[in-house]
Amino acid sequence: KAGVTQTPRYLIKTRGQQVTLSCSPISGHRSVSWYQQTPGQGLQFLFEYFSETQRNKGNFPGRFSGRQFSNSRSEMNVSTLELGDSALYLCASSWGLAGLDEQFFGPGTRLTVL
Amino acid sequence: LAKTTQPISMDSYEGQEVNITCSHNNIATNDYITWYQQFPSQGPRFIIQGYKTKVTNEVASLFIPADRKSSTLSLPRVSLSDTAVYYCLVGDRFSGGYNKLIFGAGTRLAVHP
Repeated sequence: KAGVTQTPRYLIKTRGQQVTLSCSPISGHRSVSWYQQTPGQGLQFLFEYFSETQRNKGNFPGRFSGRQFSNSRSEMNVSTLELGDSALYLCASSWGLAGLDEQFFGPGTRLTVL
Repeated sequence: LAKTTQPISMDSYEGQEVNITCSHNNIATNDYITWYQQFPSQGPRFIIQGYKTKVTNEVASLFIPADRKSSTLSLPRVSLSDTAVYYCLVGDRFSGGYNKLIFGAGTRLAVHP
């Protein structure tokens, strides 16, 4: 079956703009989690959506938000972009909750903020 | 705040067994311990998951002591293709009502011929 897909793969934005990233999970998976990966901070958990409800969240400011649709597809939005938001954003899907189940990761969206 | 600690890097040779330990003092009571492998320019890939004692699959073993404050990933007879970054992932029990997931900083394993 098809893996996790993320669009777009690459994105260049300027400070102050906002961006929306999309993630399509593996068919049948109910959980989608989002992670930020940077050389300095490593992999950091943003939030998890399960059956359209945010179930878990990390320590990111309110500029980072997300949502999940009835078909389990998820979007992540970052408003008022800052230079420090430049990172690889990964989404992962799992059948159960992310902390209790195997997650399948997408290839990521590389966001560059100028 | 929970902290997950792993060695930054390890070196090994083909055919040897590699053990990578992750300490996670504040693991959430109900969460599993999961290990992932990541190659450059790819998302992490699941290796193994466990709750306590020992778990083994076709590629690795995971040893978890009774207090669950650490875990050890064991890779038997590594090959050059095992050169990658390895991460442990746990839930943080002090996350204020939410179950925040914590990745370790990653262990960069280099396997030499």
